[in-house]
Amino acid sequence: AAGVIQSPRHLIKEKRETATLKCYPIPRHDTVYWYQQGPGQDPQFLISFYEKMQSDKGSIPDRFSAQQFSDYHSELNMSSLELGDSALYFCASSTGRNQPQHFGDGTRLSIL
Amino acid sequence: EDQVTQSPEALRLQEGESSSLNCSYTVSGLRGLFWYRQDPGKGPEFLFTLYSAGEEKEKERLKATLTKKESFLHITAPKPEDSATYLCAVQALNDYKLSFGAGTTVTVRA
Repeated sequence: AAGVIQSPRHLIKEKRETATLKCYPIPRHDTVYWYQQGPGQDPQFLISFYEKMQSDKGSIPDRFSAQQFSDYHSELNMSSLELGDSALYFCASSTGRNQPQHFGDGTRLSIL
Repeated sequence: EDQVTQSPEALRLQEGESSSLNCSYTVSGLRGLFWYRQDPGKGPEFLFTLYSAGEEKEKERLKATLTKKESFLHITAPKPEDSATYLCAVQALNDYKLSFGAGTTVTVRA
């Protein structure tokens, strides 16, 4: 079965650079969520989109922005990167907000 | 603030040795409680959703139950391939995000 696809899988950046993470949801899923998982920590919710509109907002820094496009894929844009932004970034999708969220394998972002 | 506490942090089992994982939660109205399995370097894999106290779900050697304050994930006669971190998450009535616990890392020895 098709799964959530995230790209790139690994990304290395330096401080103060920008990064763009992409998420392609499972076909016919209209809801996308972004989570950040630090080393040895549980995933923390960043932001979500339902039918291309921002739905919920969590602990997402002002330096980060995200959007969902007409084909339902989503991008997380990160600017002025800091060492503390090093983490695994997961995208999840669901068929509506009441349904289980299915996760991709994440993008590992390393800030040097 | 939603809170999810999982115990134990780590569990080492012999193959065939059944055990249970605990997930205690505090949430202002529960929409659903979710169990996920996470392997190293991978995203969480959905296992179960429970919506109301008394509900039970089963899948192979796993069985999840729910009360008003906690959920249990029972692993019956585990095999080495059941080794993973098991995450519990809650979704509150007033939003749709998942709030995760820290997980229980299960290691099953042959």
